[in-house]
Amino acid sequence: NAGVTQTPKFRVLKTGQSMTLLCAQDMNHEYMYWYRQDPGMGLRLIHYSVGEGTTAKGEVPDGYNVSRLKKQNFLLGLESAAPSQTSVYFCAIAVDPEGGETQYFGPGTRLLVL
Amino acid sequence: GQNIDQPTEMTATEGAIVQINCTYQTSGFNGLFWYQQHAGEAPTFLSYNVLDGLEEKGRFSSFLSRSKGYSYLLLKELQMKDSASYLCAVVDSNYQLIWGAGTKLIIKP
Repeated sequence: NAGVTQTPKFRVLKTGQSMTLLCAQDMNHEYMYWYRQDPGMGLRLIHYSVGEGTTAKGEVPDGYNVSRLKKQNFLLGLESAAPSQTSVYFCAIAVDPEGGETQYFGPGTRLLVL
Repeated sequence: GQNIDQPTEMTATEGAIVQINCTYQTSGFNGLFWYQQHAGEAPTFLSYNVLDGLEEKGRFSSFLSRSKGYSYLLLKELQMKDSASYLCAVVDSNYQLIWGAGTKLIIKP
């Protein structure tokens, strides 16, 4: 997984609970991404970061917040979980993002919201 | 809007050849990726095309026609381990990846 780790691997939440997903890289990549993957749909970008201290919204940002205080870590937060946020969440880093951007993914976090 | 189309599912026989098609309509084009994703796992990089033509990499080849908005992934000498989903993704004008829903490939003995 190109040195990308995600914690936790699996989590069950009740509606309204909050949690933070952690993505960590052991290299020095600037670009990091959070996606969600749902059955029958393509990967959808939630938020991304182009460097330490910067974040930007993707295609489906509502209900999520992110922070990139340290270059190695990209955190995804759910302030008040909803059943619609049941999904598999993947973090990715990009190598050479403006010329043949190749994204390498972490192993994923499976989230179930009851 | 932006759109990536791939067949939902395909079935092929071990040892055979299969072609998985991908058509796209996006705001700008800065390359096309193919990823492989085994069930329960993360996507892994297979190929990248930015110029028209065929890129060969072992048993896998990827073709691109920018004028037709079309790509295909060709898998030769299919093995049971090739059973997976294959994801097509296009880099748009903002250098964001737009993903297709994936093609589930089932290999039969």
